[in-house]
Amino acid sequence: DAGVTQSPTHLIKTRGQHVTLRCSPISGHKSVSWYQQVLGQGPQFIFQYYEKEERGRGNFPDRFSARQFPNYSSELNVNALLLGDSALYLCASSLLQGSVDEQYFGPGTRLTVT
Amino acid sequence: AQKVTQAQTEISVVEKEDVTLDCVYETRDTTYYLFWYKQPPSGELVFLIRRNSFDEQNEISGRYSWNFQKSTSSFNFTITASQVVDSAVYFCALRNFGNEKLTFGTGTRLTIIP
Repeated sequence: DAGVTQSPTHLIKTRGQHVTLRCSPISGHKSVSWYQQVLGQGPQFIFQYYEKEERGRGNFPDRFSARQFPNYSSELNVNALLLGDSALYLCASSLLQGSVDEQYFGPGTRLTVT
Repeated sequence: AQKVTQAQTEISVVEKEDVTLDCVYETRDTTYYLFWYKQPPSGELVFLIRRNSFDEQNEISGRYSWNFQKSTSSFNFTITASQVVDSAVYFCALRNFGNEKLTFGTGTRLTIIP
């Protein structure tokens, strides 16, 4: 079975631009979470979506938004990019909301803002 | 508030030595889950173990073992007879019951010297 997939793998953007990152969860998984991992740090929680509804939000500005589609895939959008948005963006999926199941992570999208 | 502390930033050991990675956590919840993830240079977070707050039994899986002690809020990870393939960044994480958000520590970079 395919794991969590993310696209693109790498991305280079200029300050002020916007970016859309995509995630496809493991088949059957309905919950998708997004994390930002700045170099040298642990991942920081951005959003969690379950059944197309936002169920959790981390301490990130409104420039960050996300949505989940009927097939449970998800997009993370970041507007007005700043140099500090350069990071590895990780997507994770799990079976149910608040279940004891662990989250499975994708390979990430490495975003560089110049 | 939740917090995970991994005080060891970097550890280097010679191959075949045993090594212990420390993790201390803080949470006000009585039901929670603790995790260890491995992050190789490729960037993908690989799930290693989940431990429930109500189960303090230590666990062994091959060369890996975990020591969970609620009294000291610690969840330490030991690799026995380390191998070069164990070189990676290891993250400890905490999740409260009913919540998908994972709170990660800052990670410990483990280098196994051949």
